[in-house]
Amino acid sequence: DAEITQSPRHKITETGRQVTLACHQTWNHNNMFWYRQDLGHGLRLIHYSYGVQDTNKGEVSDGYSVSRSNTEDLPLTLESAASSQTSVYFCASSESGLAEQLNYEQYFGPGTRLTVT
Amino acid sequence: AQSVTQPDIHITVSEGASLELRCNYSYGATPYLFWYVQSPGQGLQLLLKYFSGDTLVQGIKGFEAEFKRSQSSFNLRKPSVHWSDAAEYFCAVGARAGGTSYGKLTFGQGTILTVHP
Repeated sequence: DAEITQSPRHKITETGRQVTLACHQTWNHNNMFWYRQDLGHGLRLIHYSYGVQDTNKGEVSDGYSVSRSNTEDLPLTLESAASSQTSVYFCASSESGLAEQLNYEQYFGPGTRLTVT
Repeated sequence: AQSVTQPDIHITVSEGASLELRCNYSYGATPYLFWYVQSPGQGLQLLLKYFSGDTLVQGIKGFEAEFKRSQSSFNLRKPSVHWSDAAEYFCAVGARAGGTSYGKLTFGQGTILTVHP
């Protein structure tokens, strides 16, 4: 079965370190998204991509970057981790194509819990 | 830009009781509408979706939701709750032909459901 995986599932890092969170999907979806989930804020969009070599900033992109070199992967990098980036991070993907509504039907990975000390 | 409000942060029901979770959105036209469920420590799972047509939609796990254009609402219902339904529920909307919002979802802050035996 197709799926979307994230690694690591848990990560503890120190302030100032660079951290990369992996996201891999086997749906063959062109659209991929990164969110962070914090109490009282629901899910907020960090970055997203509509295809290879395409990346876009979401509403909370400061301090984060992504790159898309193939269809399956969208790694999220924290350039210099800060305590404010302690959160649970979710990756999602959706289909693209002629049926517009399918672009919005997102499938989520299991999440990565990141703690910055 | 669209916005989503889930007025109830936390709801407690008894097992076997009926359930209604509220979702209101703000958007100039009819958006794409979704409900997701998140069990503790898990990613988000799609429960149901509304694209067009019949305003009462059926989803997985015995859930249904009704789109009411006049009230800008998409409330989630279940006639008889099971203990395994305890989770956090998120309503999400996507803007049709959304330009810079294409494919992106805006999430509500979530409603935590507790089920008493």
